[in-house]
Amino acid sequence: GAVVSQHPSWVICKSGTSVKIECRSLDFQATTMFWYRQFPKQSLMLMATSNEGSKATYEQGVEKDKFLINHASLTLSTLTVTSAHPEDSSFYICSARVGGSASYEQYFGPGTRLTVT
Amino acid sequence: GENVEQHPSTLSVQEGDSAVIKCTYSDSASNYFPWYKQELGKRPQLIIDIRSNVGEKKDQRIAVTLNKTAKHFSLHITETQPEDSAVYFCAASMRDYKLSFGAGTTVTVRA
Repeated sequence: GAVVSQHPSWVICKSGTSVKIECRSLDFQATTMFWYRQFPKQSLMLMATSNEGSKATYEQGVEKDKFLINHASLTLSTLTVTSAHPEDSSFYICSARVGGSASYEQYFGPGTRLTVT
Repeated sequence: GENVEQHPSTLSVQEGDSAVIKCTYSDSASNYFPWYKQELGKRPQLIIDIRSNVGEKKDQRIAVTLNKTAKHFSLHITETQPEDSAVYFCAASMRDYKLSFGAGTTVTVRA
């Protein structure tokens, strides 16, 4: 149980275009989903937190107009990288948390490798 | 926000020996401390976690200890095997459930 999927697993796009990444919880309802970015040989950096039906909360330094997050249902969150540039090339990973105050564990998706040319 | 420091950045051990990774955190309000194993290009996998009301937890060859007073926690892997080679991350979370990750430790187990 507690499976999270991401689509696509990898994508190559041209500079200036937009890319949408989907994150789905397959067998549970996710109250909260998180989006992380990981550059090569670096740690995971939290970009934003999204709760179903409400606006995402972005971490300091993350441009909300560039990284659009939509959490339309309890099983789906999307991250759209708008006007992508080569410096946006990274590994994007989502995670989902089951609701409840005692539930801290996050279930991670397999990640999406974005390359902007 | 929370700041998590992790040491060492690389660790090479002989197969069968033990490996220890240490992390410190800055915010005393942190109450959840997971450890993840990540292989190249893959998702982080939770290997063990501990809550702030517990001092130690063990799962087969893996154990985690937490010292709330000193604000540090450690991962111990005993009887290391080649398949333990990976990058390990510690993390800390407060009541907002956000995870702050350490910089990672690349563990290499020599056969």
